[in-house]
Amino acid sequence: DTGVSQDPRHKITKRGQNVTFRCDPISEHNRLYWYRQTLGQGPEFLTYFQNEAQLEKSRLLSDRFSAERPKGSFSTLEIQRTEQGDSAMYLCASSLGSLAGALAKNIQYFGAGTRLSVL
Amino acid sequence: LAKTTQPISMDSYEGQEVNITCSHNNIATNDYITWYQQFPSQGPRFIIQGYKTKVTNEVASLFIPADRKSSTLSLPRVSLSDTAVYYCLVVTHSGAGSYQLTFGKGTKLSVIP
Repeated sequence: DTGVSQDPRHKITKRGQNVTFRCDPISEHNRLYWYRQTLGQGPEFLTYFQNEAQLEKSRLLSDRFSAERPKGSFSTLEIQRTEQGDSAMYLCASSLGSLAGALAKNIQYFGAGTRLSVL
Repeated sequence: LAKTTQPISMDSYEGQEVNITCSHNNIATNDYITWYQQFPSQGPRFIIQGYKTKVTNEVASLFIPADRKSSTLSLPRVSLSDTAVYYCLVVTHSGAGSYQLTFGKGTKLSVIP
């Protein structure tokens, strides 16, 4: 299966620790997105990349959050000094889109997510 | 503040048509409306997408009025396997020339035998 994969699937950490999640998109996809989803809510947009460039960041993405996509392939999302409010499912998606293309036009393919629990 | 609104939940009997409406009051003028389906412990999965008027594919139809401030997902003859949460996704203005992808809060559809 060559879909979007996320690692790890589950992460339990203590408050104040740093955590890093990885996302491997579908290989030919040039766009990659990160979302956060809490129980009973829709996914909340965090950021997206076009190749290796980070083009949009939500105001939800505080200074403790950083995302990278070196070489335009896989991406990592790091959360520093985790807080209990960071507990959520972190979803990654990828799509194929042109730089000037509409943001929502291209179908996004989602991974199964990384569930973070901060104790 | 950009906002999308969907009913929290809906119940339907098997074989009926289900219509779920999403209101999006600050949608970007040149972007698309997309609907996704999500099962527990899985990421969302694409159902259908449109820009205006009506779009139909093998699983659903999407109705978008001329002002594009709402959209309605129509699922014909639902089955038990359609029990899931359904989300609309639009691009909204987030201020200062910036745009962001905005999901609705989701509609939990329960199909009853």
